[in-house]
Amino acid sequence: IQLTQSPSSLSASVGDRVTITCRASQGISSYLAWYQQKPGKAPKLLIYAASTLQSGVPSRFSGSGSGADFTVTISSLQPEDFATYYCQQLNSYPITFGQGTRLEIK
Amino acid sequence: QVQLVQSGAEVKKPGASVKVSCKASGYTFTGYYMHWVRQAPGQGLEWMGWINPNSGGTNYAQNFQGRVTMTRDTSISTVYMELSRLRSDDTAVYHCARDSEAGGKSTLSFDYWGQGTLVTVSS
Repeated sequence: IQLTQSPSSLSASVGDRVTITCRASQGISSYLAWYQQKPGKAPKLLIYAASTLQSGVPSRFSGSGSGADFTVTISSLQPEDFATYYCQQLNSYPITFGQGTRLEIK
Repeated sequence: QVQLVQSGAEVKKPGASVKVSCKASGYTFTGYYMHWVRQAPGQGLEWMGWINPNSGGTNYAQNFQGRVTMTRDTSISTVYMELSRLRSDDTAVYHCARDSEAGGKSTLSFDYWGQGTLVTVSS
């Protein structure tokens, strides 16, 4: 299953509301997770089951969608949110990731 | 607290093999599947497969079938990923990552990750 994220990169300012989209090549129910990765670090789980916030993740992050179309939204960007974001499908093997969305400071 | 600590960086020649370890602590080692994910320099994430630390059962991605072997040593709560017949395009950071669901009945996410091990393949 291929996952296509859009946009591939995004420039935004602190305080902005940002939405990243992930589209699956076929339906994956709600078996979708989102990760944040900073340079030189391991990915960090943000959201699983499409919309469930991982424990400890700030509430400004939210996820939605089911089937083939998903989004993650950051309601008010903070300086620590500038990173690369990946979606991941776990509906079927092989588990696959989107190509990533790089979120940069404007 | 859950921790996954991986072995150090490796430099290998083409055709050689590499074995990366991932030592788990802070939870019941045999209760959660462990996945391996790699990331080539400047590239995205690629899933390699999982191992069930309880039974030793494995599920490898087709891209790595025949070249990857995942094993575990329950006495020291450690999983291993060995990749053989290395090529230059195997140069990447290799991560272990814990499956978030106990027992492996359904995989919803990878909730804890190792720090990564850089494997460089160069002649």
